Amino acid sequence: DIQMTQSPSSLSASVGDRVTISCRASQSISTYLNWYQQRPGRAPKLLISAASTLQSGVPSRFSGSGSGTDFTLTISSLQPEDFATYFCQQSYFTPLTFGGGTKVEI
Amino acid sequence: QITLKESGPTLVKATQTLTLTCTFSGFSLSTSAAGVGWIRQPPGKALEWLAVRYWDDDKRYSPSLESRLTITEDTPKNQVVLTMTNMDPVDTGTYYCAHVDILTGYGLFDYWGQGTLVTVSS
Repeated sequence: DIQMTQSPSSLSASVGDRVTISCRASQSISTYLNWYQQRPGRAPKLLISAASTLQSGVPSRFSGSGSGTDFTLTISSLQPEDFATYFCQQSYFTPLTFGGGTKVEI
Repeated sequence: QITLKESGPTLVKATQTLTLTCTFSGFSLSTSAAGVGWIRQPPGKALEWLAVRYWDDDKRYSPSLESRLTITEDTPKNQVVLTMTNMDPVDTGTYYCAHVDILTGYGLFDYWGQGTLVTVSS
């Protein structure tokens, strides 16, 4: 199985901050890496596919980068609605696997 | 517009079998290069992928749960059913079904149901 490791597991930030979340795969997954946002009590929402493709309707302050084993999700200027938990997921092989999540808190 | 909704019991007893139904609209499993997947989330914990049924009838399962899981479909009804045997309190959590887009590898989850909370009592 491909293990996905996110860091940090949580972070504190303020509105307007630049936030970076890392995701590392246990083996190369090319760019088969997707990012999700989950607000409390809600289903996850797909933000970015294929490492860097922003989904329709997702604000441009979100961006993704990376390939191989190391990936990054960046929020350029944190907004109040961005306080949530973020998960990465690899789609290179089954079993499909998620990272442990990064909780972005005030 | 793609929508999905999970249905099933909210409470099951340990050792019982859980049956969850995902009813979807906006796509067809028989004609679309897509799939339906199941993901669960224990309270306060991470997402865990369980199973996926692809449009070509390929079915994949989480290796750690494969012996307990079965995914089936009722194509005319636009439903995918997940059964999980021998339930245990550690299986308590929210169970989601999701549309799987296979344009990127074995799939990403681009549309999600609202989720259903399943509690397993001992």
